[in-house]
Amino acid sequence: GAGVSQSPSNKVTEKGKDVELRCDPISGHTALYWYRQSLGQGLEFLIYFQGNSAPDKSGLPSDRFSAERTGGSVSTLTIQRTQQEDSAVYLCASSLTVVTYNEQFFGPGTRLTVL
Amino acid sequence: AQKITQTQPGMFVQEKEAVTLDCTYDTSDPSYGLFWYKQPSSGEMIFLIYQGSYDQQNATEGRYSLNFQKARKSANLVISASQLGDSAMYFCAMREDGTSGSRLTFGEGTQLTVNP
Repeated sequence: GAGVSQSPSNKVTEKGKDVELRCDPISGHTALYWYRQSLGQGLEFLIYFQGNSAPDKSGLPSDRFSAERTGGSVSTLTIQRTQQEDSAVYLCASSLTVVTYNEQFFGPGTRLTVL
Repeated sequence: AQKITQTQPGMFVQEKEAVTLDCTYDTSDPSYGLFWYKQPSSGEMIFLIYQGSYDQQNATEGRYSLNFQKARKSANLVISASQLGDSAMYFCAMREDGTSGSRLTFGEGTQLTVNP
């Protein structure tokens, strides 16, 4: 497809379970970003990838969160031992490069609900 | 300090009228970009317009224009001839060259409602 895709679109899980969220960026985009959108916190940066490397993981809220990217394409965000405060919409974006003037194109998001 | 401030939580406009959504920013980085995104109730983030810190002219994209006042650190979005489909949340965001990965920093958003 032409745009960024994310799966699943919705995920309901029980507290303490692990979840994996997937992002397929636009083909040829070297930069990939994960953001989280929640009612109390607005839109917050989690992590970005330049190719397969994640130079900055400072936005990850705890060590329960991890992410990887393979083949310079698909990325997976994993949340272990989910907590209720993890409930949010997780947005993935890709950009041609990390330079400032390249816009970031967003996927439709994954809505995570932790019961 | 907030890097991006959107002071209007909600705005109302009549169909076919113009509306200005305010955005001020804070950065000491000389090289940065300002973006506006639209988020309808469906949740997707749609890129609208971009303004670079070194751009001499205000950006325009169709009915969208960006009123860039660098000295005041403001980057207001102007939507001309509003349409019902413009009803959505609008986010102002900034990318700074000096920030790792040039991540986007977002404002709190403005909920725009276009009335018929």
